[in-house]
Amino acid sequence: TQLLEQSPQFLSIQEGENLTVYCNSSSVFSSLQWYRQEPGEGPVLLVTVVTGGEVKKLKRLTFQFGDARKDSSLHITAAQPGDTGLYLCAGSKNTGGFKTIFGAGTRLFVKA
Amino acid sequence: NAGVTQTPKFQVLKTGQSMTLQCAQDMNHNSMYWYRQDPGMGLRLIYYSASEGTTDKGEVPNGYNVSRLNKREFSLRLESAAPSQTSVYFCASRRGGASTGELFFGEGSRLTVL
Repeated sequence: TQLLEQSPQFLSIQEGENLTVYCNSSSVFSSLQWYRQEPGEGPVLLVTVVTGGEVKKLKRLTFQFGDARKDSSLHITAAQPGDTGLYLCAGSKNTGGFKTIFGAGTRLFVKA
Repeated sequence: NAGVTQTPKFQVLKTGQSMTLQCAQDMNHNSMYWYRQDPGMGLRLIYYSASEGTTDKGEVPNGYNVSRLNKREFSLRLESAAPSQTSVYFCASRRGGASTGELFFGEGSRLTVL
């Protein structure tokens, strides 16, 4: 059972479209991270959000942490084929050695 | 820069065999983690180690054991492999002394249990 639920699981869109990926939980996290994974490689960090309500932007990607620190979203504006990949959210708590759990991921495919 | 190195990259076992996955990091990180990744399941935490000499269970520890040999190395052992343990295993280490630190991952070890 994944304590972090991501939706949608799969998304196939045309180049130039906008999209939003969601990460939800019933637990409160000290921080939440978004990673991107390419085939055959390990995940790579995109962003870390810590404060409830926090919004961070990374070029065409906008990340938001929910006010209650239980959920997060990733919005991509004008998606490009290079955005194709598996997007994973990861939640951590500041207890017990910084245990970090991941959601099941959203697989994004952007068609040219 | 080596970062996080996992060995072996590929392994095929028969049911009941044992093996150890090795992981080493050269970034002087305190925390290290072992995850498994199955199709459609994302990454699931097996065990983690906050610092040298400590280990804790994650979400799916059954059938696995770990050893934090020193600050650099964190190994994962399968004592009696089962087909359900067929997966891609990732080792990671965390930069910094807080949960906000970035996780650095190895390239993964693909294990097949027949």
